[in-house]
Amino acid sequence: AQSVTQPDIHITVSEGASLELRCNYSYGATPYLFWYVQSPGQGLQLLLKYFSGDTLVQGIKGFEAEFKRSQSSFNLRKPSVHWSDAAEYFCAVGGADGLTFGKGTHLIIQP
Amino acid sequence: EPEVTQTPSHQVTQMGQEVILRCVPISNHLYFYWYRQILGQKVEFLVSFYNNEISEKSEIFDDQFSVERPDGSNFTLKIRSTKLEDSAMYFCASSERGGVGGPRDEQFFGPGTRLTVL
Repeated sequence: AQSVTQPDIHITVSEGASLELRCNYSYGATPYLFWYVQSPGQGLQLLLKYFSGDTLVQGIKGFEAEFKRSQSSFNLRKPSVHWSDAAEYFCAVGGADGLTFGKGTHLIIQP
Repeated sequence: EPEVTQTPSHQVTQMGQEVILRCVPISNHLYFYWYRQILGQKVEFLVSFYNNEISEKSEIFDDQFSVERPDGSNFTLKIRSTKLEDSAMYFCASSERGGVGGPRDEQFFGPGTRLTVL
């Protein structure tokens, strides 16, 4: 069965610093991978997705992610975070029975 | 920009009562989904629905749950006899196509309904 692991429950980053959120997946075939963001009290917003092709994927709000098959990883990056990036971030893998999400990483931005 | 809407935003109910959570998917979408997120935990798939029938469901989606598309716009999740452990945020999603292999498969999520069972 497919699964997603986000090893970091919380991450604290200073405003303006770079960010990397880790995601590892387990899936039997070519994975379809997603990153979603959830602000407090809000729904899930898609940041970016990987289906095939270029392994470096650009998303909204200045985020990017790199698919590394050899490491079964799909880490999310941003070169310079803003206070408005504080939120919960979920990595997900797509399969026949819908999306399987990781437990999420809570991003805290320090001034 | 079209969006998925859900009502109510917050539902409080007594244990054993029936609740119906409502969703209005994006109008040209054909595939519909329910997910839930227990507080502090990950988002979990419940069920997918296409062509007026369930296409996939998870182990969580037991006989207490049912889904329906009663008209051309609404998609509902019914919990027949709520339990304390049903307290969660419930997200509806819709996509133009099923599967997850292309741009038309992207699932758009609603803002969620927070269900509190007392």
